[in-house]
Amino acid sequence: DGGITQSPKYLFRKEGQNVTLSCEQNLNHDAMYWYRQDPGQGLRLIYYSQIVNDFQKGDIAEGYSVSREKKESFPLTVTSAQKNPTAFYLCASSPSFNEQFFGPGTRLTVL
Amino acid sequence: QKEVEQNSGPLSVPEGAIASLNCTYSDRVSQSFFWYRQYSGKSPELIMSIYSNGDKEDGRFTAQLNKASQYVSLLIRDSQPSDSATYLCAVNGITNAGKSTFGDGTTLTVKP
Repeated sequence: DGGITQSPKYLFRKEGQNVTLSCEQNLNHDAMYWYRQDPGQGLRLIYYSQIVNDFQKGDIAEGYSVSREKKESFPLTVTSAQKNPTAFYLCASSPSFNEQFFGPGTRLTVL
Repeated sequence: QKEVEQNSGPLSVPEGAIASLNCTYSDRVSQSFFWYRQYSGKSPELIMSIYSNGDKEDGRFTAQLNKASQYVSLLIRDSQPSDSATYLCAVNGITNAGKSTFGDGTTLTVKP
């Protein structure tokens, strides 16, 4: 099946801990994106990548890091510098830098 | 002013009615416009894209774009309870092509 997978579905982080969220796609899409969604809010762009080994900061990149070593994979690390990381994290990919297709999301909670 | 603004809602319509969702954007040179549907607790899914002025129809959905007024709308005809969701408007500009800016969404409830 073609699609976008994210893991884990739920993640709990202790204060001061770095965690990494996985995003994989087998759609052969060039572009990949990470968004954060807080309750009742829209999507805010964290990072995006239009090609392997290249990525750009979005609107709220502070406290986050990414890598794009393979076309299929775009992992997001939430570092201890992100002071309020509890949110719904969404990964998306796009074949044309226009329409985006989303994974199922990861809910991160800080304990 | 937000870059992409949507009616805050919530919007409630009876089953079978037309639901009208509105979106305005601030970047005059925006090129691409999208509507996504997000059910509670789920991820967004693309339902419509529109690139030129006018109407675009797909089943019960019609997207309308007016670049002069910087306005894009989504009409849902014969609304069904299964249409109850939050609808997100997204806009791509010329600069940073491939980067979408999302509105905060409008929550629609269709009452049987």
